Amino acid sequence: ETGVTQSPTHLIKTRGQQVTLRCSSQSGHNTVSWYQQALGQGPQFIFQYYREEENGRGNFPPRFSGLQFPNYSSELNVNALELDDSALYLCASSLGPSTMNTEAFFGQGTRLTVV
Amino acid sequence: GNSVTQMEGPVTLSEEAFLTINCTYTATGYPSLFWYVQYPGEGLQLLLKATKADDKGSNKGFEATYRKETTSFHLEKGSVQVSDSAVYFCACNQAGTALIFGKGTTLSVSS
Repeated sequence: ETGVTQSPTHLIKTRGQQVTLRCSSQSGHNTVSWYQQALGQGPQFIFQYYREEENGRGNFPPRFSGLQFPNYSSELNVNALELDDSALYLCASSLGPSTMNTEAFFGQGTRLTVV
Repeated sequence: GNSVTQMEGPVTLSEEAFLTINCTYTATGYPSLFWYVQYPGEGLQLLLKATKADDKGSNKGFEATYRKETTSFHLEKGSVQVSDSAVYFCACNQAGTALIFGKGTTLSVSS
């Protein structure tokens, strides 16, 4: 059973550019959640995808968007990058959308630097 | 929305010392509460959780009790080891899907 894998591990982009981050969920998991972790802060919820549909969104602007594919892998897209978007982006997969009943397994993250 | 406040670090202890990391939450309803740990270079791992008042979560010698009256979920361990050095995050859930995290507390244990 493979864990949650994210790619790339590190990325440097210029302000105004667009970026796509990828996440492969753990085998059998149908739910993926994305979090942004700024330096020295706790992770902040961006959104969740359950069976290819968005199933909850945090306080992030529309330039943060996502997709989930039929194999339950997922992408996070960020348009018009800003310096404050520099952070560690974490993906978590789970057997279902409820954090009450299922454990979220986190990947190691993608470190995005915007210059 | 829900929020979590945890004690600021870093916390520096000698091996075999007693550990407490304080965590309080603000929430509507009755959230589930979690402690996650992040070892250097790794992703977050669930350490323990509690889903209702007075529940005690425990794992690897760590414990935390869901205290509704004080809205707290303090993490404790009786005897820390060097291998416990990591960043610890307290969290609650919101709307059943999102996890709301505190800012994290760095623990450094020396031999």
